[in-house]
Amino acid sequence: DTEVTQTPKHLVMGMTNKKSLKCEQHMGHRAMYWYKQKAKKPPELMFVYSYEKLSINESVPSRFSPECPNSSLLNLHLHALQPEDSALYLCASSQNPTKATDTQYFGPGTRLTVL
Amino acid sequence: AQSVAQPEDQVNVAEGNPLTVKCTYSVSGNPYLFWYVQYPNRGLQFLLKYITGDNLVKGSYGFEAEFNKSQTSFHLKKPSALVSDSALYFCAVRDNTNAGKSTFGDGTTLTVKP
Repeated sequence: DTEVTQTPKHLVMGMTNKKSLKCEQHMGHRAMYWYKQKAKKPPELMFVYSYEKLSINESVPSRFSPECPNSSLLNLHLHALQPEDSALYLCASSQNPTKATDTQYFGPGTRLTVL
Repeated sequence: AQSVAQPEDQVNVAEGNPLTVKCTYSVSGNPYLFWYVQYPNRGLQFLLKYITGDNLVKGSYGFEAEFNKSQTSFHLKKPSALVSDSALYFCAVRDNTNAGKSTFGDGTTLTVKP
């Protein structure tokens, strides 16, 4: 099973709202990732969790707050977002955080619209 | 530093014809190269990867890719295109200097016409 699941599929929120994106994998992977993707552009790395600890933060604004409650779950908490944050948010996982040869498996994404 | 170039924004082929989607890379260490496909409003699906060994890599859905070290290329190929292959294709590279990070190309939109 190489499935990464994400909820919700779609999310519309106002600039003052607080919401969360969720990601789950049951492949025993120890690295989990958040990416942001604009239409017809490559994914942009936001955060990497390695063995449930934040290992990479790509200078993401503090209105995005990641959380890794356990090895299977990854959340992205959203607060006071801007319209330019509207995008497809992708979660991914891979077996070993330190192995460049490992494949990243992506979830279907959450389509976020900020009004 | 690592980088990936996909020189074609758009590739158009007729159904049944062979297709090639081009990718060139630059890394400081050994390159680990990946191809992903993305259908509209979906996540990225892994197609294949090159780690080491045989330069011709076979992957999902009849796709293959050829690693060429001297030309620093990793072109994606399929002998006979299907209309259902129409999608956005991304090449990505990783190396051991920063294993957690993949660098993606800008993507190539493949359109297969019946």
